[in-house]
Amino acid sequence: DTAVSQTPKYLVTQMGNDKSIKCEQNLGHDTMYWYKQDSKKFLKIMFSYNNKELIINETVPNRFSPKSPDKAHLNLHINSLELGDSAVYFCASSGGTGTSGYTGELFFGEGSRLTVL
Amino acid sequence: AQRVTQPEKLLSVFKGAPVELKCNYSYSGSPELFWYVQYSRQRLQLLLRHISRESIKGFTADLNKGETSFHLKKPFAQEEDSAMYYCAASGNTGKLIFGQGTTLQVKP
Repeated sequence: DTAVSQTPKYLVTQMGNDKSIKCEQNLGHDTMYWYKQDSKKFLKIMFSYNNKELIINETVPNRFSPKSPDKAHLNLHINSLELGDSAVYFCASSGGTGTSGYTGELFFGEGSRLTVL
Repeated sequence: AQRVTQPEKLLSVFKGAPVELKCNYSYSGSPELFWYVQYSRQRLQLLLRHISRESIKGFTADLNKGETSFHLKKPFAQEEDSAMYYCAASGNTGKLIFGQGTTLQVKP
């Protein structure tokens, strides 16, 4: 059973296109995240949702729009892709948030490698 | 500003040698500190957290509030320890901030 799954694993596209990455977790967690790992392997948080509500929104271009249809899913849509968007995008989930049951243990997906040409 | 720093991008040691992966943090309040590990072709996963004061796979990490450090140590490195290690810090907002990561390479 895959706990946190992302699709697609690999995505190659042209500049200016719009693409989406999907994430699903079957752990029953309330909180989900998107992280970006750049070419230097630096992991940076982008967004976090708790029970479909946006709770963390870092300084990310408006071209990036997360959507959480339910607490088990968190999708990432990217408009007008740019070369600098090439990275590995990781989805993660955790039980609880803030002071409500948060343990700091995130469960990560395998990552989605986006290459913009 | 909240920040986690891992000064070494790559640490290369021989099997059986001691290992210390350095981590320093700059965080308001009393953050929780963690070490995450990513083995080749595997997901990033939690290795240990400071509040548990546990030893996992022979690794330990001590929180030094005076030096704002949380270095990861193992007395005798094994080849299977080769991986990417991330130090991370979290406050009570649930935002986990990662350091830049250190690749540990254990040579036979």
